[in-house]
Amino acid sequence: DAGVTQSPTHLIKTRGQQVTLRCSPISGHKSVSWYQQVLGQGPQFIFQYYEKEERGRGNFPDRFSARQFPNYSSELNVNALLLGDSALYLCASSFQERSSYEQYFGPGTRLTVT
Amino acid sequence: AQRVTQPEKLLSVFKGAPVELKCNYSYSGSPELFWYVQYSRQRLQLLLRHISRESIKGFTADLNKGETSFHLKKPFAQEEDSAMYYCALSGLDNSKLTFGKGITLSVRP
Repeated sequence: DAGVTQSPTHLIKTRGQQVTLRCSPISGHKSVSWYQQVLGQGPQFIFQYYEKEERGRGNFPDRFSARQFPNYSSELNVNALLLGDSALYLCASSFQERSSYEQYFGPGTRLTVT
Repeated sequence: AQRVTQPEKLLSVFKGAPVELKCNYSYSGSPELFWYVQYSRQRLQLLLRHISRESIKGFTADLNKGETSFHLKKPFAQEEDSAMYYCALSGLDNSKLTFGKGITLSVRP
C-alpha cells in the first residue's frame, strides 16, 4: 500500500478562482480528515468525513467544502480563492471515526494563490 | 475551545544530551494527547499517544492534568531525532484534532 495519496502535488491559482484537491485513503480506512498548514504553523483542522458523512468541521468559511465518495476517497473544494488560502493542504485517513485513532497523513498539496 | 501551546520554536542540543519538548493544553473535557513527528522529507506521523503509556524511540510523555501539560522527553538525544515535533489534542467527545505550532529539534554531533 502506498499510503495516503494526494493530488496534485503543487497547484498555482489566481485570486477568485476555485480549486479541487483530491485524497485517496489507505485501503480499509473509512475516515478522511483535511487540514490546512500555513508556513510556520501546525496543521489546522478543516473537515472530517466518515462513511461519506461530515463528522466534524473546523473554523473555516463556507468557501471551503468537501465530500467523500463510496470508495472513501475525498475531495476538498475551495471557492473564491484568497491570497490567505495559500498553504499546504494535508489529508489524513484513519480506520475509525475517532481522531484518537492514529491518523496517517498524505504528502500534502501545496496551493499557491497569486 | 481546545488549544495546544508549544512555547518554543527551536531546541538545539548536542548528541547524548537530555531533551524536553514542552506542550501545554487547554480543554474543558477529557483530553487525549499525542505527539506527531515529521522527519526531513517525510510525512507527518504519530510518535506516541498518552493512552498507550509506551516509550517510542526512547521518547516518553506523561499527561499531567494538574499542570495541563504533556511534555515529550528523551534522556539521551540522537542525531536521527532531529525533526519537527507537534503536540496535538483530541477531545473524547469530538473528532477534531488540534495541533500546536510545532518545535524543531536539532541534535548536533
